[in-house]
Amino acid sequence: DAGVIQSPRHEVTEMGQEVTLRCKPISGHNSLFWYRQTMMRGLELLIYFNNNVPIDDSGMPEDRFSAKMPNASFSTLKIQPSEPRDSAVYFCASRGEPPEQYFGPGTRLTVT
Amino acid sequence: SQQGEEDPQALSIQEGENATMNCSYKTSINNLQWYRQNSGRGLVHLILIRSNEREKHSGRLRVTLDTSKKSSSLLITASRAADTASYFCATDALGFQKLVFGTGTRLLVSP
Repeated sequence: DAGVIQSPRHEVTEMGQEVTLRCKPISGHNSLFWYRQTMMRGLELLIYFNNNVPIDDSGMPEDRFSAKMPNASFSTLKIQPSEPRDSAVYFCASRGEPPEQYFGPGTRLTVT
Repeated sequence: SQQGEEDPQALSIQEGENATMNCSYKTSINNLQWYRQNSGRGLVHLILIRSNEREKHSGRLRVTLDTSKKSSSLLITASRAADTASYFCATDALGFQKLVFGTGTRLLVSP
Protein backbone atom coordinates (compact mmCIF):
# COMPACT_ATOMS: atom_id res chain seq x y z
CA ASP A 1 0.00 0.00 0.00
CA ALA A 2 1.27 3.50 -0.83
CA GLY A 3 0.13 4.92 2.47
CA VAL A 4 -1.92 8.08 2.87
CA ILE A 5 -1.54 10.32 -0.17
CA GLN A 6 -1.94 14.07 -0.01
CA SER A 7 -1.85 16.66 -2.74
CA PRO A 8 -0.51 19.15 -3.38
CA ARG A 9 2.60 18.90 -1.21
CA HIS A 10 3.11 22.64 -1.33
CA GLU A 11 0.64 25.40 -2.06
CA VAL A 12 1.34 29.10 -2.25
CA THR A 13 -1.64 31.34 -2.82
CA GLU A 14 -2.76 34.89 -2.34
CA MET A 15 -5.15 36.03 0.33
CA GLY A 16 -8.74 35.67 -0.78
CA GLN A 17 -8.15 32.73 -3.09
CA GLU A 18 -9.81 29.36 -2.68
CA VAL A 19 -7.58 26.49 -1.63
CA THR A 20 -8.44 22.80 -1.94
CA LEU A 21 -6.37 20.13 -0.26
CA ARG A 22 -6.83 16.49 -1.19
CA CYS A 23 -6.35 13.22 0.61
CA LYS A 24 -6.51 9.56 -0.33
CA PRO A 25 -6.62 7.34 2.77
CA ILE A 26 -5.23 3.85 3.05
CA SER A 27 -7.56 1.35 1.44
CA GLY A 28 -9.76 -0.38 4.00
CA HIS A 29 -9.41 2.32 6.66
CA ASN A 30 -12.79 3.60 7.79
CA SER A 31 -11.78 6.77 9.65
CA LEU A 32 -10.16 9.87 8.21
CA PHE A 33 -8.77 12.87 10.08
CA TRP A 34 -7.68 16.35 9.02
CA TYR A 35 -5.11 18.15 11.19
CA ARG A 36 -3.37 21.50 11.07
CA GLN A 37 0.10 22.05 12.53
CA THR A 38 1.74 25.37 13.34
CA MET A 39 4.54 26.38 15.65
CA MET A 40 2.19 28.47 17.75
CA ARG A 41 -0.72 26.07 18.17
CA GLY A 42 0.90 22.69 17.61
CA LEU A 43 -1.14 19.87 16.08
CA GLU A 44 -4.87 20.59 15.96
CA LEU A 45 -7.62 18.22 14.88
CA LEU A 46 -9.91 20.01 12.46
CA ILE A 47 -12.46 17.34 11.55
CA TYR A 48 -12.80 13.61 11.31
CA PHE A 49 -14.98 11.20 9.36
CA ASN A 50 -16.09 7.69 10.13
CA ASN A 51 -17.39 5.64 7.20
CA ASN A 52 -17.44 8.85 5.12
CA VAL A 53 -19.69 10.65 7.62
CA PRO A 54 -18.39 13.75 9.46
CA ILE A 55 -18.40 12.93 13.16
CA ASP A 56 -16.76 15.90 14.84
CA ASP A 57 -16.02 19.21 13.13
CA SER A 58 -15.61 21.22 16.31
CA GLY A 59 -12.00 21.95 15.41
CA MET A 60 -12.84 23.68 12.15
CA PRO A 61 -11.81 27.25 12.87
CA GLU A 62 -14.56 29.08 11.02
CA ASP A 63 -17.02 28.90 8.17
CA ARG A 64 -14.27 29.53 5.66
CA PHE A 65 -13.21 25.93 6.21
CA SER A 66 -15.17 22.99 4.84
CA ALA A 67 -14.42 19.31 4.36
CA LYS A 68 -16.03 16.55 2.38
CA MET A 69 -15.61 12.83 1.98
CA PRO A 70 -17.69 11.77 -1.03
CA ASN A 71 -16.41 8.19 -0.91
CA ALA A 72 -14.12 5.92 1.08
CA SER A 73 -11.07 6.74 -1.00
CA PHE A 74 -11.12 10.53 -1.21
CA SER A 75 -11.51 13.60 0.97
CA THR A 76 -11.04 17.32 0.47
CA LEU A 77 -10.43 20.23 2.79
CA LYS A 78 -11.37 23.58 1.31
CA ILE A 79 -10.56 27.07 2.54
CA GLN A 80 -12.52 29.89 0.94
CA PRO A 81 -11.45 32.65 1.14
CA SER A 82 -7.94 31.97 2.41
CA GLU A 83 -6.16 34.29 4.82
CA PRO A 84 -2.48 34.61 5.83
CA ARG A 85 -3.25 33.11 9.27
CA ASP A 86 -4.29 29.90 7.54
CA SER A 87 -0.64 29.28 6.64
CA ALA A 88 0.30 25.94 8.18
CA VAL A 89 1.02 22.34 7.38
CA TYR A 90 -2.19 20.36 6.89
CA PHE A 91 -2.09 16.64 7.54
CA CYS A 92 -4.53 13.95 6.63
CA ALA A 93 -4.50 10.68 8.56
CA SER A 94 -6.47 7.48 8.29
CA ARG A 95 -7.20 4.72 10.75
CA GLY A 96 -8.51 1.21 10.62
CA GLU A 97 -8.09 -1.51 13.21
CA PRO A 98 -5.96 -1.51 15.38
CA PRO A 99 -6.44 2.13 16.32
CA GLU A 100 -3.16 3.73 15.32
CA GLN A 101 -3.33 6.55 12.79
CA TYR A 102 -1.33 6.69 9.59
CA PHE A 103 -0.37 10.18 8.50
CA GLY A 104 0.19 11.55 5.05
CA PRO A 105 3.22 13.68 4.22
CA GLY A 106 1.25 16.90 4.65
CA THR A 107 0.50 19.94 2.53
CA ARG A 108 2.48 23.05 3.37
CA LEU A 109 0.16 26.00 2.73
CA THR A 110 1.44 29.54 2.47
CA VAL A 111 -1.07 32.34 2.07
CA THR A 112 0.47 35.70 1.17
CA SER B 1 -8.49 21.87 26.51
CA GLN B 2 -7.97 18.12 26.51
CA GLN B 3 -4.51 18.50 25.07
CA GLY B 4 -1.83 16.57 26.89
CA GLU B 5 1.35 18.09 28.17
CA GLU B 6 4.78 16.70 27.52
CA ASP B 7 8.03 17.42 29.20
CA PRO B 8 10.64 18.31 28.59
CA GLN B 9 9.77 20.49 25.62
CA ALA B 10 13.27 19.92 24.31
CA LEU B 11 15.97 17.40 25.14
CA SER B 12 19.55 17.32 23.94
CA ILE B 13 21.73 14.25 24.53
CA GLN B 14 24.74 12.42 23.14
CA GLU B 15 24.59 9.25 21.08
CA GLY B 16 24.47 6.18 23.28
CA GLU B 17 22.64 7.92 26.12
CA ASN B 18 19.06 7.16 27.06
CA ALA B 19 16.26 9.65 26.42
CA THR B 20 13.17 9.85 28.59
CA MET B 21 10.07 11.85 27.69
CA ASN B 22 7.00 12.26 29.84
CA CYS B 23 3.37 12.84 28.99
CA SER B 24 0.45 13.85 31.20
CA TYR B 25 -3.17 13.82 30.16
CA LYS B 26 -6.53 14.77 31.60
CA THR B 27 -9.24 12.24 30.76
CA SER B 28 -9.84 8.51 31.10
CA ILE B 29 -8.44 6.65 28.12
CA ASN B 30 -8.74 3.49 26.06
CA ASN B 31 -5.10 3.64 25.06
CA LEU B 32 -2.14 5.97 24.73
CA GLN B 33 0.04 6.14 21.66
CA TRP B 34 3.44 7.62 20.89
CA TYR B 35 4.31 9.12 17.54
CA ARG B 36 7.49 10.46 16.02
CA GLN B 37 7.82 13.32 13.56
CA ASN B 38 10.92 14.07 11.60
CA SER B 39 11.33 17.65 10.45
CA GLY B 40 9.02 18.42 7.54
CA ARG B 41 7.37 15.01 7.58
CA GLY B 42 4.16 13.42 8.80
CA LEU B 43 3.82 11.66 12.12
CA VAL B 44 4.74 8.01 12.36
CA HIS B 45 3.20 5.67 14.91
CA LEU B 46 5.72 4.11 17.30
CA ILE B 47 3.90 2.18 19.98
CA LEU B 48 0.48 1.80 21.61
CA ILE B 49 -0.20 0.91 25.23
CA ARG B 50 -3.68 0.02 26.41
CA SER B 51 -5.21 1.32 29.61
CA ASN B 52 -4.90 -2.08 31.30
CA GLU B 53 -1.19 -2.34 30.52
CA ARG B 54 1.56 -0.83 32.62
CA GLU B 55 4.62 -1.33 30.45
CA LYS B 56 5.39 -2.19 26.88
CA HIS B 57 8.57 -2.69 24.88
CA SER B 58 9.37 -2.41 21.19
CA GLY B 59 13.01 -2.65 20.20
CA ARG B 60 14.83 0.21 21.92
CA LEU B 61 11.54 1.77 23.05
CA ARG B 62 10.00 1.28 26.47
CA VAL B 63 6.67 2.86 27.37
CA THR B 64 5.08 2.98 30.79
CA LEU B 65 1.56 4.02 31.71
CA ASP B 66 0.23 5.07 35.11
CA THR B 67 -3.51 5.62 34.79
CA SER B 68 -3.82 6.68 38.44
CA LYS B 69 -1.51 9.60 37.74
CA LYS B 70 -2.68 10.04 34.16
CA SER B 71 0.87 9.94 32.91
CA SER B 72 3.10 8.01 30.56
CA SER B 73 6.77 7.94 29.72
CA LEU B 74 8.73 6.98 26.64
CA LEU B 75 12.28 5.74 27.06
CA ILE B 76 14.61 5.43 24.10
CA THR B 77 17.68 3.43 25.02
CA ALA B 78 21.11 3.71 23.40
CA SER B 79 20.01 6.69 21.32
CA ARG B 80 21.31 7.34 17.83
CA ALA B 81 21.63 10.51 15.79
CA ALA B 82 18.81 9.15 13.62
CA ASP B 83 16.48 9.34 16.64
CA THR B 84 16.54 13.14 16.35
CA ALA B 85 12.90 14.12 15.89
CA SER B 86 9.86 15.39 17.76
CA TYR B 87 7.95 12.87 19.82
CA PHE B 88 4.25 13.18 20.61
CA CYS B 89 1.97 11.29 22.91
CA ALA B 90 -1.66 10.91 21.93
CA THR B 91 -4.58 9.71 24.00
CA ASP B 92 -7.55 7.75 22.70
CA ALA B 93 -10.20 8.84 25.18
CA LEU B 94 -13.10 6.72 26.32
CA GLY B 95 -16.22 7.34 24.24
CA PHE B 96 -14.37 9.12 21.48
CA GLN B 97 -12.80 7.94 18.25
CA LYS B 98 -10.27 10.72 17.93
CA LEU B 99 -6.77 11.13 19.33
CA VAL B 100 -5.73 14.09 21.42
CA PHE B 101 -2.08 14.93 20.83
CA GLY B 102 0.34 16.39 23.33
CA THR B 103 2.56 19.35 22.69
CA GLY B 104 5.58 17.23 21.81
CA THR B 105 9.20 16.86 22.90
CA ARG B 106 11.97 17.86 20.52
CA LEU B 107 14.83 15.41 20.85
CA LEU B 108 18.30 16.19 19.53
CA VAL B 109 20.85 13.40 19.58
CA SER B 110 24.36 14.55 18.83
CA PRO B 111 26.97 12.19 17.36
